[in-house]
Amino acid sequence: AQRVTQPEKLLSVFKGAPVELKCNYSYSGSPELFWYVQYSRQRLQLLLRHISRESIKGFTADLNKGETSFHLKKPFAQEEDSAMYYCALRDAGGTSYGKLTFGQGTILTVHP
Amino acid sequence: DAGVTQSPTHLIKTRGQQVTLRCSPISGHKSVSWYQQVLGQGPQFIFQYYEKEERGRGNFPDRFSARQFPNYSSELNVNALLLGDSALYLCASSTRRGGGYNEQFFGPGTRLTVL
Repeated sequence: AQRVTQPEKLLSVFKGAPVELKCNYSYSGSPELFWYVQYSRQRLQLLLRHISRESIKGFTADLNKGETSFHLKKPFAQEEDSAMYYCALRDAGGTSYGKLTFGQGTILTVHP
Repeated sequence: DAGVTQSPTHLIKTRGQQVTLRCSPISGHKSVSWYQQVLGQGPQFIFQYYEKEERGRGNFPDRFSARQFPNYSSELNVNALLLGDSALYLCASSTRRGGGYNEQFFGPGTRLTVL
């Protein structure tokens, strides 16, 4: 079974401070990990995926298979980063039918 | 392109009624997935359709059903509504990539309230 855990429902930081949103997963197969973001009054959108290893809006995330984690990090938070963040997992194998398993989400608030 | 569109935006039903939600994928996307998002939780997978065939089903009762049309739009049907079916229903579309699928693009959702 696939499971994604985001231990923090709420996270508050000040502008310019580093931020880390935690994500842990359990899956016996080969996982593909994602971070999705939902800004106020906008639809859910992909922020980044581990296989692309790119930085989007200053955010990075590294897949740690040993610790089964995919934490999202940004060295200097901005007010516009305030949003709901979801970590998600899907099977990376050939039998995947694209199902995403989401965590419960973390609301990030960046104070001025 | 307007992206994934869903209708209606909001819907209020009473217990025992039936509801149909609609989704139009991005042009060229042949895969449509449905998710249920209960308040305070992450989206939960209900169905995936590709090329008009069901390719995956989540842990939902048989009261939930869906179909995909030749133009790749999709409908989600829920029968015998329960209070617990109140949620935001999300539709996502994607393209195929080798043995898997590319990024899923989400619609704005349909907010269903069951009284």
